Amino acid sequence: GDSVTQMEGPVTLSEEAFLTINCTYTATGYPSLFWYVQYPGEGLQLLLKATKADDKGSNKGFEATYRKETTSFHLEKGSVQVSDSAVYFCALTLTGGFKTIFGAGTRLFVKA
Amino acid sequence: GAVVSQHPSWVICKSGTSVKIECRSLDFQATTMFWYRQFPKQSLMLMATSNEGSKATYEQGVEKDKFLINHASLTLSTLTVTSAHPEDSSFYICSARPPGIEEQYFGPGTRLTVT
Repeated sequence: GDSVTQMEGPVTLSEEAFLTINCTYTATGYPSLFWYVQYPGEGLQLLLKATKADDKGSNKGFEATYRKETTSFHLEKGSVQVSDSAVYFCALTLTGGFKTIFGAGTRLFVKA
Repeated sequence: GAVVSQHPSWVICKSGTSVKIECRSLDFQATTMFWYRQFPKQSLMLMATSNEGSKATYEQGVEKDKFLINHASLTLSTLTVTSAHPEDSSFYICSARPPGIEEQYFGPGTRLTVT
């Protein structure tokens, strides 16, 4: 079945370090891919998305490229800040689909 | 952008009572809303899909008689936890999808504590 696999956390980084959170997916058809972020005590917010192969989503310094050949959508940021500490969820929605499938989430801690 | 609100943001209730949580799309109409449950340090578990004007579609293992969902209008869906028990304590999050858009917009969540 369709699924999303994320690297397990927590990930702990120092401020200004480079961030990568791996995400791979299994899906029939051609899904749209998303990264959502959840700050402590809050709901989820859309961080970025990509709707077709080779698309790059970007927002707030974060980037992710839709790689069909490796079925991946890894999240990257060149220089993290303390305010980036949150839980990050990779997700997919199948074309014309209804449900969104979420990964387990990766908690990021950024130390000053 | 699309804003979804939830009310209340937190609630404490006694075991055996019922609690209603509201989810509203503030600046768009949502024919479909979703209800999720999130346990501490875990991912979101889809409970049900709420469709305006029709019955909700529940995920396997979710008791529809316990978690009553009503989608009364294009901007409001409610989740009622009936005869709540301590094991129902959780963070409940709703989301809404504007027509023709694939991403979901999430409410801020409601923390339910059943004593």
